Amino acid sequence: QVQLQESGPGLVKPSGTLSLSCAVSGDSISRGNFWGWVRQPPGKGLEWIGDVLHSGIATYNPSLKSRVTISLDTSKNQFSLTLSSITAADTSTYYCVRSPGWYRIDQWGQGTLVTVSS
Amino acid sequence: QPALTQPPSASGSPGQSVTISCTGTSSDVGGYDFVSWYQQHPGKAPKLMISEVNKRASGVPDRFSGSKSGNTASLTVSGLQAEDEADYYCSSHAGTFGYVFGTGTKVTVL
Repeated sequence: QVQLQESGPGLVKPSGTLSLSCAVSGDSISRGNFWGWVRQPPGKGLEWIGDVLHSGIATYNPSLKSRVTISLDTSKNQFSLTLSSITAADTSTYYCVRSPGWYRIDQWGQGTLVTVSS
Repeated sequence: QPALTQPPSASGSPGQSVTISCTGTSSDVGGYDFVSWYQQHPGKAPKLMISEVNKRASGVPDRFSGSKSGNTASLTVSGLQAEDEADYYCSSHAGTFGYVFGTGTKVTVL
């Protein structure tokens, strides 16, 4: 079955850059799906960050667009998230996700908590 | 793009039904038939329950159903069971904004 697993630092300093990776098993990121990220601040709701098509074309949440990059690494069958100029407001659990299209997310990683603090 | 509006909480006794609303605008819920619903238990990742307004995801019991009228979508859980106690989030395609999620509803089984 398809599995997504996030990895990356759990603590990042303010004004720094958050970098996370998502390893995919049971599916190929080169084949016909969208691969993306959703975050959830502690005790709050979900926020879509963006996604990238298997072709490499990315779409981002306009509120984050100036700070975010999502890219594919087909050699490792993984994709990544980079978020720059981070503040305490970026403290969240970050989920990597798969969407087969039609704006539905059918696979979620377990999530990784990233805390922004000095 | 503001979050879609959901009631903070809903409840029902075992066997009863509960309906959760999800209100947006003509730029999201009202403009597309791409409304999904997710169930999230504490400390867990969300799980897709319904997509494209009323299509149940694989393995989801038929106690869960979705509908839409105008700018408001709804999720109905019939025959409530203890394991249905969770947070529920709607989402919708929002044009150039991509996805927008709802504010979330905590369902309590009394």
